[in-house]
Amino acid sequence: DTAVSQTPKYLVTQMGNDKSIKCEQNLGHDTMYWYKQDSKKFLKIMFSYNNKELIINETVPNRFSPKSPDKAHLNLHINSLELGDSAVYFCASRDSVTYEQYFGPGTRLTVT
Amino acid sequence: GQQLNQSPQSMFIQEGEDVSMNCTSSSIFNTWLWYKQDPGEGPVLLIALYKAGELTSNGRLTAQFGITRKDSFLNISASIPSDVGIYFCAGRAFGNEKLTFGTGTRLTIIP
Repeated sequence: DTAVSQTPKYLVTQMGNDKSIKCEQNLGHDTMYWYKQDSKKFLKIMFSYNNKELIINETVPNRFSPKSPDKAHLNLHINSLELGDSAVYFCASRDSVTYEQYFGPGTRLTVT
Repeated sequence: GQQLNQSPQSMFIQEGEDVSMNCTSSSIFNTWLWYKQDPGEGPVLLIALYKAGELTSNGRLTAQFGITRKDSFLNISASIPSDVGIYFCAGRAFGNEKLTFGTGTRLTIIP
């Protein structure tokens, strides 16, 4: 069983389009995250939700809107995509006791 | 955002060699985590450390939580081809929901 899953794995789209990435975890964790990894492999936190409530918003453009329908799911919607949005986006969930984070396989977004 | 200083940035070694890398922070952490990322995959948790001075092993990997609580170390003994990848440290300060990640160490094994 995959602990943290993301769809799609690859996403190629044109500038100006709107797209969504979905994430699901079956670990029973309350807290989930979205990270962006750029071409230099730096991992930057974008958002975090705890039990469907936003707890971290790291100066991300308003074009990015996370949504958590329940604590097992955290989706990321991106409006008006720009070239600079091209990156790999990782979802993660966190054990509330150990604070260990478990990552999904990533979604490689390419904006042309 | 803040990133931890991780070194070396890259390593080129021969199979069978031992590897050492470290991570330093300007602030104190309560938790240190070490991850490995294979190409096209997400980071996978290798070792978690929770106490200053703690030494924890996972097979050929050994990690230590520095006494000052501002650094951590990862050693890999007798490297094998599947050790190739990018290794990240991550630290968490007390009361903080976020992990701060290191800049990564890219390990390459020379044939």
